[in-house]
Amino acid sequence: EIVLTQSPDTLSLSPGERATLSCRATQSVSSSYLAWYQQKPGQPPRLLIFGASSRATGIPDRFSGSGSGTDFTLTISRLEPEDFAVYFCQQYGSSPPWTFGQGTKVEIK
Amino acid sequence: QVQLVGSGGGVVQPGRSLRLSCVASGFTFSNYGMHWVRQAPGKGLEWVAVIWKDGSNEHYADSVKGRFTISRDNSKNTLYLQMNSLRAEDTAVYYCARRGYGGNFLDYWGQGTLVTVSS
Repeated sequence: EIVLTQSPDTLSLSPGERATLSCRATQSVSSSYLAWYQQKPGQPPRLLIFGASSRATGIPDRFSGSGSGTDFTLTISRLEPEDFAVYFCQQYGSSPPWTFGQGTKVEIK
Repeated sequence: QVQLVGSGGGVVQPGRSLRLSCVASGFTFSNYGMHWVRQAPGKGLEWVAVIWKDGSNEHYADSVKGRFTISRDNSKNTLYLQMNSLRAEDTAVYYCARRGYGGNFLDYWGQGTLVTVSS
């Protein structure tokens, strides 16, 4: 099973600042099968990024994903008030189980 | 628009059973694999199970294998999760989610249904 570790656990930033979230895997994620989700309290997760760097439908271009192998990054170029939330990475390689990171909370400083 | 509406959650005693349902609309249900993902209160996400679009194959997390069964009725646009021998650690919000095009990322999620296992 591939274990994903996200860092930091909490990121305290101000609106307008840049957010950089990390997701590290215990083994290489095949074909960059890495997704990012945003979750707000009381809501289901929302898909942001798939294939490590492809934005999902309707996701603003201030969200970008990068990385390959075992190291992946989600970048929010300029934080908007609605971006303060918890972010999860997920690997969906060729075979199950498909695993999630523990989450990074982006909070208002 | 794509909608996934889950139901069937509630409070159940340890060892008992529960069946969750998820009704899909706004897309051709029979063209998509479907997943269940759960989230314990205040915790992260845990993948639970997947079923192929035609129901021909299923996979489960080790934590539920042998106790949970995923199934679907494409004529009713409905996904199911039969949960047997429930344990306290199964307490969570259960989300149904649609498999994305080209991979097992999850492009649409239901609103979730809460299952509480307690005596």
